[in-house]
Amino acid sequence: AQTVTQSQPEMSVQEAETVTLSCTYDTSENNYYLFWYKQPPSRQMILVIRQEAYKQQNATENRFSVNFQKAAKSFSLKISDSQLGDTAMYFCAFMKRNQGGKLIFGQGTELSVKP
Amino acid sequence: ETGVTQSPTHLIKTRGQQVTLRCSSQSGHNTVSWYQQALGQGPQFIFQYYREEENGRGNFPPRFSGLQFPNYSSELNVNALELDDSALYLCASSLTGPDTQYFGPGTRLTVL
Repeated sequence: AQTVTQSQPEMSVQEAETVTLSCTYDTSENNYYLFWYKQPPSRQMILVIRQEAYKQQNATENRFSVNFQKAAKSFSLKISDSQLGDTAMYFCAFMKRNQGGKLIFGQGTELSVKP
Repeated sequence: ETGVTQSPTHLIKTRGQQVTLRCSSQSGHNTVSWYQQALGQGPQFIFQYYREEENGRGNFPPRFSGLQFPNYSSELNVNALELDDSALYLCASSLTGPDTQYFGPGTRLTVL
């Protein structure tokens, strides 16, 4: 069975600085997707970034980028130029490509951006 | 383009009752997945519906059941509510099964 581990329950960062959130996963699959979702206090889960396992190039979305290390089964999220609106719970998630869409989530990292 | 919507926002029930939660998928999406998120935890997959058929199920008992309608909206039904069913229930839609899922705002269920 696949598992996703986020080892940092809480993190904080000063506004405008850079922070990296860690995620590791365990799978014997070769074809899968990895995601980072953000859940602010409003509760709605918002997609931050997605990575296909077959792509070697790391995904980027504006201030958000990932460091995908397939052999190490590591998928960290880097947030540059942190903003107050980045304050939220961040969840790492895994999906097998041929399973039909079951997302497996980590326990989450609560990020606080301080002014 | 309309996003994923869920109703109601909040719900309070007593143990043993039954509840129905509703979800409207994003325009153009034919797949709906349901998740349960206990306080302080990551979401847990309940099941997925694709073109009105169940297309995968997590480790939830049969008293958790669902439906998907021809317009791809969906319902989650929970019978014989237990205190541990208190959670945020999230619905997500996607263009197909193995594709990026977009979430609704959730329904907060409290069982007393």
